[in-house]
Amino acid sequence: EIVMTQSPATLSVSPGERVTLSCRASHTFSSNLAWYQQRPGQPPRLLIYGASTRATGVPARFSGSGSGTEFTLTISSLQSEDFAVYHCQQYNNWPWTFGQGTKVEIK
Amino acid sequence: EVQLVESGGGLVRPGESRRLSCAASGFTFSSFAMSWVRQAPGKGLEWVSSISGGGRATYFADSVRGRFTISRDNSKSTLYLQMDTVRVEDTAIYYCAKAPGEWPSYYYMDVWGTGTTVTVSS
Repeated sequence: EIVMTQSPATLSVSPGERVTLSCRASHTFSSNLAWYQQRPGQPPRLLIYGASTRATGVPARFSGSGSGTEFTLTISSLQSEDFAVYHCQQYNNWPWTFGQGTKVEIK
Repeated sequence: EVQLVESGGGLVRPGESRRLSCAASGFTFSSFAMSWVRQAPGKGLEWVSSISGGGRATYFADSVRGRFTISRDNSKSTLYLQMDTVRVEDTAIYYCAKAPGEWPSYYYMDVWGTGTTVTVSS
């Protein structure tokens, strides 16, 4: 099983700041990684797939990068609606596995 | 508009059974793989099970293999999760999610339902 580890667990930031979230895999794989955003009381929403491709309707301020064991989600300028929990997920190997999530909160 | 609506959640006693449903609309259901993902209270996401568009291929997390069954009725555009011998640790919000292709392997989940809550307690 590929263990996904996200860091930090919580990030306190101000609106307008640049944010970088990390997701590390226990085993290397290519680019079968997705990022999801989950606002309080809402289901997850797909942001990024293939490690770097934005899903339909996702603002350009969201970008993903990485391969192997290190992956990154960057939000270039945090907006009020971006305060949420972000989950990474690998879909390269069964079982699919998620990171524990990073909560982005208002500073 | 693509929509997924789960139902069937509620209070279940340990050791009992429950069937969850996910009604799909807005897309050709049989052409896409589907999955169940759960989230325990205050916890992260856990993949539970996936099924191919035609229903021939199924995949399960170790934590539910042998107790849960995934199936689909493409004539009704509905996905199911049969939960048998439930445990307290199965308490969670259960989401159904759609893949962008017929086979779940190497596919992410592009549309999610709003979830149904299952509470396992005596």
